[in-house]
Amino acid sequence: DIQMTQSPPSLSASVGDRVTITCRASQSISSYLNWYQQRPGKAPKLLIYAASTLQSGVPSRFSGSGSGTDFTLTISSLQPEDFATYCCQQTYNTPRTFGQGTKVEIK
Amino acid sequence: QVQLQESGPGLVKPSETLSLTCTVSGGSISTYYWSWIRQPPGKGLEWIGYIYSSGGTNYNPSLKSRVTISLVDTSKNQFSLKMTSVTAADTAVYYCAREAHTGKIGSLAFDIWGQGTLVTVSS
Repeated sequence: DIQMTQSPPSLSASVGDRVTITCRASQSISSYLNWYQQRPGKAPKLLIYAASTLQSGVPSRFSGSGSGTDFTLTISSLQPEDFATYCCQQTYNTPRTFGQGTKVEIK
Repeated sequence: QVQLQESGPGLVKPSETLSLTCTVSGGSISTYYWSWIRQPPGKGLEWIGYIYSSGGTNYNPSLKSRVTISLVDTSKNQFSLKMTSVTAADTAVYYCAREAHTGKIGSLAFDIWGQGTLVTVSS
């Protein structure tokens, strides 16, 4: 199985801050990497697919980059509704695997 | 607008079989992969497996011996999950989700999710 490792596990930030979350795959996955946002008690929501393409309707303050084994999700200016957990997921092969998540909390 | 809804018992006894159904509304079950994904309380997401609209399946090796995903009724746009011999470790929120081609070559993503249903394994 491909292991997905996110860092940090959690972070505290203020509204307006720039936030960066990293995801590392245990082997090269090309650009087959997706990012999801999950608010408490809710299902995950697709934010970015193929490492850097914004899903329709997702605000442009979200961006993704990377390929191979190292990927980043950046929120350019954190908004109140962005406080949530973010996780990465590979679709290079099966079994599909997810990172353990990064919880973004209010400072 | 496609929507997914999970249904099934919220409480299952240890050693028994967990059974859930996902109903797809607002669209067809054809030409997509339909997955079950679970999330134990306070933990990350675990992919259980998928069924393609033609009936082909793919399971997580860690669960393969206990899991069956089936098309229940294609006319009703439903698919199901059965997991045998459950233990407390199977307590989780279970989601059904659609995995779709994104338009980028070879790229797929879970673009639509059900709201999830909590299944507790306890006597």
